[in-house]
Amino acid sequence: KAGVTQTPRYLIKTRGQQVTLSCSPISGHRSVSWYQQTPGQGLQFLFEYFSETQRNKGNFPGRFSGRQFSNSRSEMNVSTLELGDSALYLCASSLEGELYEQFFGPGTRLTVL
Amino acid sequence: DAKTTQPNSMESNEEEPVHLPCNHSTISGTDYIHWYRQLPSQGPEYVIHGLTSNVNNRMASLAIAEDRKSSTLILHRATLRDAAVYYCILYYSGAGSYQLTFGKGTKLSVIP
Repeated sequence: KAGVTQTPRYLIKTRGQQVTLSCSPISGHRSVSWYQQTPGQGLQFLFEYFSETQRNKGNFPGRFSGRQFSNSRSEMNVSTLELGDSALYLCASSLEGELYEQFFGPGTRLTVL
Repeated sequence: DAKTTQPNSMESNEEEPVHLPCNHSTISGTDYIHWYRQLPSQGPEYVIHGLTSNVNNRMASLAIAEDRKSSTLILHRATLRDAAVYYCILYYSGAGSYQLTFGKGTKLSVIP
């Protein structure tokens, strides 16, 4: 079956703009998590959604938000972009009851100029 | 959150076994031990997880110390494709949600 897909794969924005990233989980997976990966901070958890509800949130400012739709697809939004938001944004999905096995997508590489 | 300590890097010869150590001295009784790996230019990939007993799957084995303060991921025959960053992660999923707290991991190099 198809894996986790993320669009777009690459994105260039300028400071102050906002951006929306999309994630389509594996069919049947209702849990979707987002992570930010940077060389300095490594992989950091942003938030997790299940059945259109945010269940868990990491330590990121309110400029980072997300949502999940009824088909489990998820979007992540970052407003008022800063240079430090340049990163690889990864989405992962998993089955409820098997949350330990998260399947990651290839990520969206965001560059903020 | 309980923390893990891993060596920054390790090397292995191809087709030899690899033992990747992880120390987690502050582990609580309900923390599961997970291992993920990240190949170059890819998202992380689940490898294995366990609680108290040693675990085996098609990818690797997980050996857990009796006091659970350390664990070892064992790759039985390293291949070039196993070159990756390996993350040892603790998590208690009893709350019904799930998040992975990644450390720096161990970068494994496999020498042909």
